[in-house]
Amino acid sequence: ELKVEQNPLFLSMQEGKNYTIYCNYSTTSDRLYWYRQDPGKSLESLFVLLSNGAVKQEGRLMASLDTKARLSTLHITAAVHDLSATYFCAVDAGGADGLTFGKGTHLIIQP
Amino acid sequence: GAVVSQHPSRVICKSGTSVKIECRSLDFQATTMFWYRQFPKKSLMLMATSNEGSKATYEQGVEKDKFLINHASLTLSTLTVTSAHPEDSSFYICSAEGRDYAGYTFGSGTRLTVV
Repeated sequence: ELKVEQNPLFLSMQEGKNYTIYCNYSTTSDRLYWYRQDPGKSLESLFVLLSNGAVKQEGRLMASLDTKARLSTLHITAAVHDLSATYFCAVDAGGADGLTFGKGTHLIIQP
Repeated sequence: GAVVSQHPSRVICKSGTSVKIECRSLDFQATTMFWYRQFPKKSLMLMATSNEGSKATYEQGVEKDKFLINHASLTLSTLTVTSAHPEDSSFYICSAEGRDYAGYTFGSGTRLTVV
């Protein structure tokens, strides 16, 4: 059974600071997704990482994937309040089961 | 880009009634539809997976007679919550996987409140 562990689950940080969210998974996969969810809303796709060593950046967010370590990171640079949300990583192990989600990281960025 | 339209976005119903939630893929063919349930401040829990024209596959612990899933065409899947009870109140989200692209597209979610 694929397990996806995300940490931290809760993070409160100040604007301007940098931080990293970690996503570990338990089985071989080379497709990993990061999503953002605002309260009461559905998921917004942030990044799709499809190969070992993949790195993608969008604004203050950067995601990377190390398939050998079974680890993905989502790095936040110089955080701003608008980035407050819950962030999920999800792993596609192939087959018919679709995505397995981490528990999510509830991120609060304080002015 | 790929779009999945989900509605209703919010529904309030009385205990014992049934509610149907629809998800439509607008610009691609959804070969597989995934239905998730999300409780407040929790992650998404996969309820079932459906492929066009075949019966849905339910996750362990999900009552297939209570949560009826139909995937009659490559652009439409429905989830019907039958004889709803307050404990069925939740946020339901669909996700579609298409034939011709890699990735998953999520609907906008349905907030179900059973009173």
